Amino acid sequence: DAKTTQPTSMDCAEGRAANLPCNHSTISGNEYVYWYRQIHSQGPQYIIHGLKNNETNEMASLIITEDRKSSTLILPHATLRDTAVYYCIVRGHMEYGNKLVFGAGTILRVKS
Amino acid sequence: GAVVSQHPSRVICKSGTSVKIECRSLDFQATTMFWYRQFPKQSLMLMATSNEGSKATYEQGVEKDKFLINHASLTLSTLTVTSAHPEDSSFYICSARDSGISTPYEQYFGPGTRLTVT
Repeated sequence: DAKTTQPTSMDCAEGRAANLPCNHSTISGNEYVYWYRQIHSQGPQYIIHGLKNNETNEMASLIITEDRKSSTLILPHATLRDTAVYYCIVRGHMEYGNKLVFGAGTILRVKS
Repeated sequence: GAVVSQHPSRVICKSGTSVKIECRSLDFQATTMFWYRQFPKQSLMLMATSNEGSKATYEQGVEKDKFLINHASLTLSTLTVTSAHPEDSSFYICSARDSGISTPYEQYFGPGTRLTVT
């Protein structure tokens, strides 16, 4: 699976949009981009995933560049409860034995 | 949404004893479950993949005789830490794949088990 690079930490003001970048320059054509987050002392929580197109759900939006070498997770109105470690993971389809391998992630601190 | 539970949520045991952690998929069947370990201030590390009815596949560097994994049913996988030592103290998290869904996303995580070995 392709490797990802994320900033170590970011701060965001409460109520503002949080934009979390991720580089995955070695991504292959059949690999998806996944975002998970982990609030302190809890299991990871799925946020969103995408292949090529931008995606949006009730939690966030995922913007993937046309060349697929990078992506941005957008939390449109961050709250204090969004403070967590955010993981960007690239992985092929699970049916082919691909696994979720977590990197260091980005610590997002939402401040009032 | 799909729910994965773990039991116990916290356990303290003495060095040399064994501890069993259960992982259950509550509202779906999981032919594949994963076990992760997380040390303080570190990321999750995949330990092993278990498939129902067959032997688990361990990641490189994980001792299979120390971390026994059993996946005897479609809704239950267990991780037994044998002869636990203080260095095994960690946060253990399981994850389950929904067998009934054929989409790229079908993996759900449990809340984790905090193991402390004294």
